[in-house]
Amino acid sequence: AQSVTQLDSQVPVFEEAPVELRCNYSSSVSVYLFWYVQYPNQGLQLLLKYLSGSTLVESINGFEAEFNKSQTSFHLRKPSVHISDTAEYFCAVSLLSGGYNKLIFGAGTRLAVHP
Amino acid sequence: NAGVMQNPRHLVRRRGQEARLRCSPMKGHSHVYWYRQLPEEGLKFMVYLQKENIIDESGMPKERFSAEFPKEGPSILRIQQVVRGDSAAYFCASSPSSESSYEQYFGPGTRLTVT
Repeated sequence: AQSVTQLDSQVPVFEEAPVELRCNYSSSVSVYLFWYVQYPNQGLQLLLKYLSGSTLVESINGFEAEFNKSQTSFHLRKPSVHISDTAEYFCAVSLLSGGYNKLIFGAGTRLAVHP
Repeated sequence: NAGVMQNPRHLVRRRGQEARLRCSPMKGHSHVYWYRQLPEEGLKFMVYLQKENIIDESGMPKERFSAEFPKEGPSILRIQQVVRGDSAAYFCASSPSSESSYEQYFGPGTRLTVT
C-alpha cells in the first residue's frame, strides 16, 4: 500500500536560518509528488509539485524540493526562512487508481519560525 | 475566478444532530473530493464525486456519512447523528476532469465541533 511519511512533526527554526522538511513515500508505481502549505485556520495551498522532468522543483516564495527516486524522497528546503513561513506543511503523493488520481497525505510538519 | 467555496466555515452540533457541509467547486470544475483532517493528523480521503455520480467512496465511514453532488448546486457531505469523534476539519477539493485529478484545488474547510 502507498504511504507518505513526514519524519518530523515539528521543526522550530530561527528566522533567516535554512530549513529542510523531510518526506519519504512508498509506492511500487510512478507517482506525482506535492507539497501543500496550510496557514492557521485556512485551507491547503499548493506550494510545489513534481510531475516529470527535472527532479528539482521550485516555488515562487523560495522553497524547493528534490525528487529522489532511489531514496523515494521529496524533501522540502528553503535556504533562509521568514516569520511568515510559519505554517503546517503537508507532503502528498498522487496515486493513479481506477482512472483517477487519489491524493495520499503525510501527517504534516509544523514549521515554527522564531525571531 | 472564485476558488473552491465551503460553508459554513465553522459548525457546532450537539451529539445526535445532523451536520450538512457544502462545497462549491471552482468554476469549470465538475469533480469534487472530500477529505477529513482529524486533530494533529494529515488529510484522509473520504469520497470522490462527479456530477450526479459517486465514483469512489472507499474512505467514507460505513454508517452515518453520505455525500452527493447534484446536477445543480453544491456538493453536500452529510453526517447523521454526529458523535464527538466526528469533530474535525472537512476539506473539499475540485479538479476540472479525472485526467487532471492529480491537481486538486482546496477550499478553506469546515471545522465541525460536536459538543
